[in-house]
Parts: sequence; C-alpha cells; structure tokens
Amino acid sequence: AQTVTQSQPEMSVQEAETVTLSCTYDTSESDYYLFWYKQPPSRQMILVIRQEAYKQQNATENRFSVNFQKAAKSFSLKISDSQLGDAAMYFCAYEGGGSEKLVFGKGTKLTVNP
Amino acid sequence: GAVVSQHPSWVICKSGTSVKIECRSLDFQATTMFWYRQFPKQSLMLMATSNEGSKATYEQGVEKDKFLINHASLTLSTLTVTSAHPEDSSFYICSASRVTQPQHFGDGTRLSIL
Repeated sequence: AQTVTQSQPEMSVQEAETVTLSCTYDTSESDYYLFWYKQPPSRQMILVIRQEAYKQQNATENRFSVNFQKAAKSFSLKISDSQLGDAAMYFCAYEGGGSEKLVFGKGTKLTVNP
Repeated sequence: GAVVSQHPSWVICKSGTSVKIECRSLDFQATTMFWYRQFPKQSLMLMATSNEGSKATYEQGVEKDKFLINHASLTLSTLTVTSAHPEDSSFYICSASRVTQPQHFGDGTRLSIL
C-alpha cells in the first residue's frame, strides 16, 4: 500500500525567509500525482501545488515550488518570501495506481514569525 | 478555480438525532465525491468514495448504516449521520473531483453532538 511520510510535525520560519517542508512516499507505481494542500486555522483545504510523476520539471506556483526526486521518492515544498498568511498545516498527498483516492501524510504545522 | 460548497458549516444537535450534510460542486460536474473525517490535530481520514448513481464505497472500519451517503447527481452528494452520538462529533469534509483533475474541498462541517 502507498504511504506518505511527513517527518516534520512542526516548522517555523521568519517572515520573508524561505522554508522547505519535507515529504517522502512509497509506491510501486510509475504514474501518479503528488500534491501539497494547505489547511489554515479556518480548516479549509486549499490546493497549493500538484506534480505529475511523469513530468521531470518541478511544479511552481508563484512563491511555492517543489523539489520532486522520483528515484528517491521525495517531494518537498519550498515556500519563498514567507508571509504571515502562509501559517497553516501543510499536507502532502499521493494519488495513483488507478485510484482517485488521496493518501495523506500526517501534516506539518508551519508557523511564520513576524 | 473549482468551487465546492458544503453545508452546514456548523451544527449542534442532541444525541439520537440524524444530521444531513450536503456537498455541492458549483461550477463543474464531479465524477467522484469523497467524504473525510478529521480529528483535532490529525490528518484527514477517508470515510467513503461515491460516484453518481451508484452505491458508495466505504473504507474499512466505517459503518455504512451509521454514515449514509447518497450521490444523487453529478453535483450533489449528501452524508447523513444517523442516530448521532457524542463520539460522532468531529469535523467532516467533502471533496469533489473529475477525471485527471485534483480534488477540490468544501469548507467542512463541524458536528457537535450533545
């Protein structure tokens, strides 16, 4: 079964600095999707970024970018120029194997210090 | 972006009553809808997957008779918590997706059973 591991329960960053959140996963599939979702205190789940496994180019969305290492099964999220509004729980998720189900990691709580 | 509406956002009711939560995809036809439960400070736990016009597929350990799911159309799925008890109190989140597109989440429902 596929698993997603987020080894950092909590992280903190100074406003305007850069932070990287780690995610590793385990799968025997070659074609799959990886996601980062953000859940602020309002508890709304917001899609931050999506990566397709067959694409070698790392996905980027404004200040958010990923470092996708397929062989290492690693999918980290880099947040540049951190803002107070970036404070949230961040969940890494996997979708693959012909299933539309998402497998979530346990999440990383990000604190942004002014 | 895709919009998923979930209603109500917060409900408080007495033990023994049934509660219905609606999930609507407002601007797209969702081939699949998902229902999750989230305990405080934990990740999302998938409860069931539903496709329009067919019976929902429940995850192991989820009581079908307790959590009734109806997927009446490509834009509407409902979750009914039957004979709710205090242990059913939780945060419930729905999501909707269509083929090759990521899941988009509703804002969630906070359910409190007295």
